[in-house]
Amino acid sequence: DAGVTQSPTHLIKTRGQQVTLRCSPISGHKSVSWYQQVLGQGPQFIFQYYEKEERGRGNFPDRFSARQFPNYSSELNVNALLLGDSALYLCASSLTLTVAKNIQYFGAGTRLSVL
Amino acid sequence: GIQVEQSPPDLILQEGANSTLRCNFSDSVNNLQWFHQNPWGQLINLFYIPSGTKQNGRLSATTVATERYSLLYISSSQTTDSGVYFCAATGTASKLTFGTGTRLQVTL
Repeated sequence: DAGVTQSPTHLIKTRGQQVTLRCSPISGHKSVSWYQQVLGQGPQFIFQYYEKEERGRGNFPDRFSARQFPNYSSELNVNALLLGDSALYLCASSLTLTVAKNIQYFGAGTRLSVL
Repeated sequence: GIQVEQSPPDLILQEGANSTLRCNFSDSVNNLQWFHQNPWGQLINLFYIPSGTKQNGRLSATTVATERYSLLYISSSQTTDSGVYFCAATGTASKLTFGTGTRLQVTL
């Protein structure tokens, strides 16, 4: 079975541009979460979606937005890119939203560089 | 929200040595996972262990929920064990809060 897939793997943008990152969850998983990992730190939670609805949002500015589609895939959009947005963006999927036994599985990430 | 702290931040081992990585968390957890992040950035699930002890080959983990800590044991380390090990936990919300990681380097 395919794991969590993310595209593209690498991306280079300039300041002020907009970017869209994509994620396909493990088959049967209905919840998708996005995390940002800057160099030298642990991943930080950005969003969680379940059944196409936002179920959690981390401490990120409104330039960050996301959505989930009927097939449970998801997109993360970042507008007006800043140098500080350079990071590894990770997508995770899980079966449900319930906290207990909610094991999250991660994709390989999209490495975004903002010049 | 939950705070997660890991120690040590860096660890250098010779191949064949054993090690213990520690994760402390600030509140009751519903989910605790250990991950290994390889040099390409992939987070690989090692254990889901909100309580108790589990073993998988040369790796084992123990979580003592009442004392709010978890330990990851690596025995007979190999160069392929190098990378960053993260502990992550959830409380009442289902988002994972990660520690800052332990960077492990295994040398020949």
